[in-house]
Amino acid sequence: QVQLVESGGGVVRSGRSLRLSCTASGFTFSLYSLHWVRQAPGKGLEWVALISYGGDNKFYAESVKGRFTISRDNSKNTMFLQMNSLRSEDTAVYYCSRSGSPYLLYNWFDSWGQGTLVTVSS
Amino acid sequence: EIVMTQSPATLSVSPGERATLSCRASQSIKNNLAWHQQKPGQAPRLLIYDASTRVTGIPARFSGSGSGTEFNFTISSLQSEDFAVYYCQQYIHWPPVTFGGGTKVEIK
Repeated sequence: QVQLVESGGGVVRSGRSLRLSCTASGFTFSLYSLHWVRQAPGKGLEWVALISYGGDNKFYAESVKGRFTISRDNSKNTMFLQMNSLRSEDTAVYYCSRSGSPYLLYNWFDSWGQGTLVTVSS
Repeated sequence: EIVMTQSPATLSVSPGERATLSCRASQSIKNNLAWHQQKPGQAPRLLIYDASTRVTGIPARFSGSGSGTEFNFTISSLQSEDFAVYYCQQYIHWPPVTFGGGTKVEIK
């Protein structure tokens, strides 16, 4: 059974940094591209970043480009999101999600973690 | 960027009735569309991909149709557990992957 578990959320002051983790189990981690998707309070879903199965290709939403860095450690079945220069508008629940087919960069999101809340205070 | 527009924003339906939700893409996405369900306080859950393929284990009362720019998602007979927010997602024109704003299906 596919399982994705996010951690690392919390309350942080504007301008500071935070690192999120997503630990996976139940599938061959190194075969799947992974995403971060966020949801601001009471709002819809916003795609944040993607990392390819091997970690070589990374893509970002314009709203986080230059501030957030996605990475992964396939030996530890874990993906990360380093968030720097945080702003109040980054306040959201951050979900990790898996692409639906192995090797494909973009695909439907077939599994989601439970999310971790990031609150940026001023 | 592909803009996904869902309508209506809120749909009030009685249990046992049929609900039809719409999703429109700003340009053709062929059939590269997924539908996700999200209940309060929970993560989204994939129901449909490739516009009309149900995920294994998803009840047959859920169905999707359409291609190009116009898509529908139908719940044939609403059950109490189906009241939730539903999001469409396109995955052919990237980056970015984009979602619709969601349709909340509420009890009438």
